[in-house]
Amino acid sequence: EPEVTQTPSHQVTQMGQEVILRCVPISNHLYFYWYRQILGQKVEFLVSFYNNEISEKSEIFDDQFSVERPDGSNFTLKIRSTKLEDSAMYFCASSVEQGAGGELFFGEGSRLTVL
Amino acid sequence: SQQGEEDPQALSIQEGENATMNCSYKTSINNLQWYRQNSGRGLVHLILIRSNEREKHSGRLRVTLDTSKKSSSLLITASRAADTASYFCATDRGSTLGRLYFGRGTQLTVWP
Repeated sequence: EPEVTQTPSHQVTQMGQEVILRCVPISNHLYFYWYRQILGQKVEFLVSFYNNEISEKSEIFDDQFSVERPDGSNFTLKIRSTKLEDSAMYFCASSVEQGAGGELFFGEGSRLTVL
Repeated sequence: SQQGEEDPQALSIQEGENATMNCSYKTSINNLQWYRQNSGRGLVHLILIRSNEREKHSGRLRVTLDTSKKSSSLLITASRAADTASYFCATDRGSTLGRLYFGRGTQLTVWP
């Protein structure tokens, strides 16, 4: 069964360092998302991406964050200068449709630990 | 504001029993979805119910939606130990852009 794959599964970094989290969405999906889940808290939306541009972003997704689909298969989330509060599980998701039809398929997540 | 609040926060039952989890929300929606998350894993989509639907079934899952009360319930019948997980409801708050708003989830433990 097709699945969303994410790498790395766990990354430890020092505060202020840049981090890139990678995702390979399901091949025929058109809409891509990043969510995060701080330990013990809700799953929170970061950004959605369609047709090579951001569709929507949350207030969390500030200038330190960026997304890219560099080669038609990978979908990356970059955090330019990590902060302690960026420590979380980051989930990539993709869907065939958006909005009212949009069942999301999630990856297993990348756990980011900022020291 | 809170959107998608599940209760109970935790539920512990024996195998074979039914598990019912509830979700309340505050705004209009196009659809409501339920997801499952095993500890430390990704979220798995269980079922989507549209705002014009009142009930939907998928295997041992039954979801109801009452838009007048802004609430939904997820019933798992004849639960199994493998159903142990966190269950989240998520709504779109009426948006068609694909963003979902998740609740805090119900931690279900099914004892063998």
